[in-house]
Amino acid sequence: AQRVTQPEKLLSVFKGAPVELKCNYSYSGSPELFWYVQYSRQRLQLLLRHISRESIKGFTADLNKGETSFHLKKPFAQEEDSAMYYCALRPKGSARQLTFGSGTQLTVLP
Amino acid sequence: EAQVTQNPRYLITVTGKKLTVTCSQNMNHEYMSWYRQDPGLGLRQIYYSMNVEVTDKGDVPEGYKVSRKEKRNFPLILESPSPNQTSLYFCASSLSGLGNNEQFFGPGTRLTVL
Repeated sequence: AQRVTQPEKLLSVFKGAPVELKCNYSYSGSPELFWYVQYSRQRLQLLLRHISRESIKGFTADLNKGETSFHLKKPFAQEEDSAMYYCALRPKGSARQLTFGSGTQLTVLP
Repeated sequence: EAQVTQNPRYLITVTGKKLTVTCSQNMNHEYMSWYRQDPGLGLRQIYYSMNVEVTDKGDVPEGYKVSRKEKRNFPLILESPSPNQTSLYFCASSLSGLGNNEQFFGPGTRLTVL
């Protein structure tokens, strides 16, 4: 069975500082990995997926199969980045959809 | 507006009193799913449905039932709720159950079972 671990429940950084939200996974096959975000009083929504290799709102995430990690990074944090972030995994080709981590609450201080 | 809706948004009930949380999507999505969110545990999948009349268990299905009689609706049924089902519930849908499809989430239903 797959597992997603987000070791930090809470993370605070100052505006303009770099931020990295950690995500580690365990899965023996090929995973599809995602980051979802939930801003205050808003719905959970997709931020980015590893297969797209995209940068959304300045965030990037690289899949490191050797370290089984998919950390989310942004070089200069903004106050509007404050939110709850969830890393999620789905086995490639599976219909079971997503296994979520327990989430990291990011607070960007002014 | 394309969206997933859930009703009710808040519900307080008592142990053993059957309840249904409705979920509806207007995006013609094939795939729908229910999650519960608990502090420190993230979101855990309860049930999912690949299409009409096709449902399957997720990670925590005990105490829940679902049905998928129409493409747009995927109600979550608690036949005999218990206090350990107090949680925040999210419904989600995506175009299909396979491929790299984004899931769209509803606003959540906060359930308290006394």
